[in-house]
Amino acid sequence: SQKIEQNSEALNIQEGKTATLTCNYTNYSPAYLQWYRQDPGRGPVFLLLIRENEKEKRKERLKVTFDTTLKQSLFHITASQPADSATYLCAPSRNSSYKLIFGSGTRLLVRP
Amino acid sequence: SQTIHQWPATLVQPVGSPLSLECTVEGTSNPNLYWYRQAAGRGLQLLFYSVGIGQISSEVPQNLSASRPQDRQFILSSKKLLLSDSGFYLCAWSSHSGANVLTFGAGSRLTVL
Repeated sequence: SQKIEQNSEALNIQEGKTATLTCNYTNYSPAYLQWYRQDPGRGPVFLLLIRENEKEKRKERLKVTFDTTLKQSLFHITASQPADSATYLCAPSRNSSYKLIFGSGTRLLVRP
Repeated sequence: SQTIHQWPATLVQPVGSPLSLECTVEGTSNPNLYWYRQAAGRGLQLLFYSVGIGQISSEVPQNLSASRPQDRQFILSSKKLLLSDSGFYLCAWSSHSGANVLTFGAGSRLTVL
């Protein structure tokens, strides 16, 4: 069955450092890998997606990589700030399927 | 621009009572519509999704049901709530084109006592 794995333990880093979050998937052949941010008591908000033929995608302080051989995506936040503290969710997707399953998310805590 | 509305925002219901959560989308037509549930401290669980009126896929067997009476309206219902139905319910929509990026509503927090 399809499985999406994200680190269940919180990632605790110092302000200014780079945060790296991991998303691994099995039994999927996604055309895209999406990343969302969720704050407590709120719905997830879409941040960034990367296509299967892209190795890397950047948006401001965010960088996403996608390795279809390893079946893994890495999500980086450079120069992290306390305001980046949230839970980050990944979701593989395809044009041909509207069913979207999310990983359980990784909580990021950025200490001032 | 497109907006998604979800209500009520919060409700407390006794075990065995019925439930109706409503979600509407404005500014688009024929959206894909979704219901997710998030238990405290847990991930998002896909409950139902619909790619059009009369087309609803159920992902988790349970005492919940979904209906899509109009193109941009999605309703989550239960005839008799269980304690385990407590959680944060999220509605979302996406367009039929592209990568299926979801836009979520603000959520409905349900506590079953």
